[in-house]
Amino acid sequence: ETGVTQSPTHLIKTRGQQVTLRCSSQSGHNTVSWYQQALGQGPQFIFQYYREEENGRGNFPPRFSGLQFPNYSSELNVNALELDDSALYLCASSLPGDTGELFFGEGSRLTVL
Amino acid sequence: KNEVEQSPQNLTAQEGEFITINCSYSVGISALHWLQQHPGGGIVSLFMLSSGKKKHGRLIATINIQEKHSSLHITASHPRDSAVYICAVRSRQGAQKLVFGQGTRLTINP
Repeated sequence: ETGVTQSPTHLIKTRGQQVTLRCSSQSGHNTVSWYQQALGQGPQFIFQYYREEENGRGNFPPRFSGLQFPNYSSELNVNALELDDSALYLCASSLPGDTGELFFGEGSRLTVL
Repeated sequence: KNEVEQSPQNLTAQEGEFITINCSYSVGISALHWLQQHPGGGIVSLFMLSSGKKKHGRLIATINIQEKHSSLHITASHPRDSAVYICAVRSRQGAQKLVFGQGTRLTINP
């Protein structure tokens, strides 16, 4: 039990649609990061939020956006879905700093048809 | 070449065997994480290292900063250890970016 919950656990969308994935972090963990994991691959860093501001981003286009809220929850939004967006999306919370331990959610598995 | 390379990619062993999974990286790091991922996707953090060695139960993780190499060892392996083990590093230069290896799929047969 990591104290990080994600919703929904599974969802199916079609190309061109928009999706919002949610993550609820542990209280006090004001850093949250999001990752995309394609089947058989390691996770790829999408972006990180600290105190409701994006403070790091990987090689993902602007149609991947996020929000972090004061209650330690966050969202990942993906617009104009493409088939290659099909993946497991993971969020992880941590205390701030380079050496903060990570607490992962179970992930949201997105299928784009 | 990936910034983080793991070996082997797949490993099958018998219950009770000593297991070693290796991770090499090419960037300066502030921390290295060993993670465990079970079927279905959930990831559990096993260790976070910046130097030396850590032990938790049957798991041992070591890191050699000069050689840019880390190992995860499992003693007296058990079928419940079967999972994907992932090495991830936090680069000193890449701000908050965490870079992951491809993972090592471990299967322990009874």
